[in-house]
Amino acid sequence: ILNVEQSPQSLHVQEGDSTNFTCSFPSSNFYALHWYRWETAKSPEALFVMTLNGDEKKKGRISATLNTKEGYSYLYIKGSQPEDSATYLCAFASNYQLIWGAGTKLIIKP
Amino acid sequence: NAGVMQNPRHLVRRRGQEARLRCSPMKGHSHVYWYRQLPEEGLKFMVYLQKENIIDESGMPKERFSAEFPKEGPSILRIQQVVRGDSAAYFCASSPALGQAQETQYFGPGTRLLVL
Repeated sequence: ILNVEQSPQSLHVQEGDSTNFTCSFPSSNFYALHWYRWETAKSPEALFVMTLNGDEKKKGRISATLNTKEGYSYLYIKGSQPEDSATYLCAFASNYQLIWGAGTKLIIKP
Repeated sequence: NAGVMQNPRHLVRRRGQEARLRCSPMKGHSHVYWYRQLPEEGLKFMVYLQKENIIDESGMPKERFSAEFPKEGPSILRIQQVVRGDSAAYFCASSPALGQAQETQYFGPGTRLLVL
């Protein structure tokens, strides 16, 4: 059974602080690792798709790294803003099927 | 360029009734995925369809649930004889023609099903 773990489950961060969280996934049969951002009452929004070991992707203040050999990815948010409050999901792609983590719920305190 | 459309957004059914959930993929996308989010849980894959074909239904309960994606019209997720445990948010996502692991899946707003 393929399992994707995200930690921490939730995180409270002061506005302006930087933060990061982890996605752990199987290191075999790896095709891709996806990060999504999911705001309450909206639909998941794609952030990154990462495919190569050592990949680093950046979108504004958000960046992600990938280590396929040890099976983890980090998502970083620099200088957190209230609009960053959301649940951040990672999904491990085994062929076409995405296996989702339970998410890290990020709450930015003003 | 309209995104993935799902309707209805909210659906209330009594036990034993049928629920039909519709998903129109993004323009140009021919691959559709259905996911379920049970209360307090994450997204769980249900089924992957291409036009007129079910590619993988390994996440779909064996009974009462079915899905189709006809040549014309939206994809339909059908739940027969609903039970309270079917209450959940059902999300549809679509991707472009290749439907491979590296393709971003674009999500619809979901249908929240409540079974009384």
